[in-house]
Amino acid sequence: EAGVAQSPRYKIIEKRQSVAFWCNPISGHATLYWYQQILGQGPKLLIQFQNNGVVDDSQLPKDRFSAERLKGVDSTLKIQPAKLEDSAVYLCATRTPRRGRGQYFGPGTRLTVT
Amino acid sequence: AQSVTQLGSHVSVSEGALVLLRCNYSSSVPPYLFWYVQYPNQGLQLLLKYTTGATLVKGINGFEAEFKKSETSFHLTKPSAHMSDAAEYFCAVSSLGSQGNLIFGKGTKLSVKP
Repeated sequence: EAGVAQSPRYKIIEKRQSVAFWCNPISGHATLYWYQQILGQGPKLLIQFQNNGVVDDSQLPKDRFSAERLKGVDSTLKIQPAKLEDSAVYLCATRTPRRGRGQYFGPGTRLTVT
Repeated sequence: AQSVTQLGSHVSVSEGALVLLRCNYSSSVPPYLFWYVQYPNQGLQLLLKYTTGATLVKGINGFEAEFKKSETSFHLTKPSAHMSDAAEYFCAVSSLGSQGNLIFGKGTKLSVKP
């Protein structure tokens, strides 16, 4: 079974530029999450999708961050414009329908904003 | 509200020594508890999980954890550390009513000395 795929793996941009990250989930995993992991901290949930619908985006900075999952499979996370404090690893995770199974994480995209 | 506290941001042990990583949680409902491991430049990998049933949970790579409700703890142990265990470890809590959302601790970095 293929894992969660993310691209790019690394990205360096200047502040005020835009950036997009892509996630391809494990086949059949309807639930998809985007996390932000700042250096030295645990992952923090940004947004949760169930199929192509948003379940929880309460911690997503909506003035600059947006995410979509149009066909209920792949997802993109966008930052526009980026700030220095957005430097972090952005992790995508997916989960099977059965609760209590935990989440499967992709390798992440390391974003550096200069 | 749920929360996780990991005591010690950095733990160092000698190869062959006992590994003990501490995790305490706060939850108003019966929790699901997880330990994840993160190797450098990689995503998080599930080590083990507690949902219901036996309170001593065995995971991959020789790790185990014991759910102690009276102490609200879920400490991770391994009898004998190996150099390959050097990584960052995250404890996380979820609940039946949280739609599978995970709340992570800040992580503990494990170093293993030869």
